[in-house]
This record gives sequence, C-alpha cells and structure tokens, in this order.
Amino acid sequence: ETGVTQSPTHLIKTRGQQVTLRCSSQSGHNTVSWYQQALGQGPQFIFQYYREEENGRGNFPPRFSGLQFPNYSSELNVNALELDDSALYLCASSLGAANTGELFFGEGSRLTVL
Amino acid sequence: QKEVEQNSGPLSVPEGAIASLNCTYSDRGSQSFFWYRQYSGKSPELIMFIYSNGDKEDGRFTAQLNKASQYVSLLIRDSQPSDSATYLCAVNKNRDDKIIFGKGTRLHILP
Repeated sequence: ETGVTQSPTHLIKTRGQQVTLRCSSQSGHNTVSWYQQALGQGPQFIFQYYREEENGRGNFPPRFSGLQFPNYSSELNVNALELDDSALYLCASSLGAANTGELFFGEGSRLTVL
Repeated sequence: QKEVEQNSGPLSVPEGAIASLNCTYSDRGSQSFFWYRQYSGKSPELIMFIYSNGDKEDGRFTAQLNKASQYVSLLIRDSQPSDSATYLCAVNKNRDDKIIFGKGTRLHILP
C-alpha cells in the first residue's frame, strides 16, 4: 500500500513569489485535504478536494488555491507569498468525502518565506 | 472562543502513570471526535475516535466524551517514554464537514 507523499519537503521563497506544493494520495483514496500548521499550532484546514471538486474551504484568502487530478493527486498553490505563510503544509488523504476522521497525512512540505 | 481548545502544556507525567489530556469544543452540533498524535518533526497520526457519549478503550488508550459538557479527554495508562508527543484533539460536525484541530497538548513522559 502506497502512503501519502508530498513534494517538495522543504523550500524557501521570498515575499511576493508563488509556490506549488504537490501531494499523491494513498492508494484507493479519492479525497485530499490540505492543512497549514504554523510552529506550535494545530493544523488549520485550508480546503478539501473530492473527485476533482472543491468540497469545503477554511478561512484562507483566495490566493490559496488548489487542484485535484483524475488520479486523485493534488496541488496547493499559494500566490503573492507573505511572511506569515511560513509553515508546514500537510496533505491528508481519505476515502470518500465523508470525513470519518481517518485522515492519512503525508510528511508535509515546510515552506519558509523570507 | 476557539472551536477546539486544549492546554498547550507541556504536561509532564512519570513513566508508568496515567496521562490525562483534555479538550473542549464550542460547536454543540459536533458529532465526531478524534485524537491524533504528532511526534516532533512528523505528521499527525490517528490514535482514537469516538462518536458516542461515554468511554471507548483501545489498549492503553481510553477516549472519553461528554457532549453535554462539550468535553473530550484521552487517558493513557502505563505511560511510556515513547508516548512523549503532541496530542491533537479534532472534531467535525458531521461526516461531510471539515475536521477542525486544536493546537495540541505537549506530553512529556519522565523516565
């Protein structure tokens, strides 16, 4: 069984730049959720994709956008980066849009904005 | 008021003792409750979920839910140094809703 994989694991950007983070969901999972985790905080829900459609969004501005592809992999795009965007970005996959709570997380992409 | 509140700790517990972790939530309509464990530098992993009032036991772990008090707790019996981690409480209103996490409680088991 293939777990959730994310890339890149670490990256450094400067203010105003754009970034794309990638996630491959666990085999058989059709739902991907993205979370932002700042240092010392819990994961904050960004949005969820189910069968290529956005299925719920947290309190994040429109410069945070995403995609899900037919193979259920997903991308998170952040435009016009700000210093406060520095965080660990976690992708979690699950089976079905029904949130049973059994989220399987990748190891995350740590973004530093200078 | 935050949706899910936890004491950030650190909570220090001697090895072999019972660790008690607590969480409160604000949305009375919440239906599902979860405990995730996150080791330093790692991603969260689900250790327990509970849907109904009362206790649910799984090995050394017991989750307790009191919907009237909007309170969820996790007990870890016979605490081991390997239990040292951050424990995240998470809730959602129904199975089609987003899952909201608390900021987590850091647990330190003293050898």
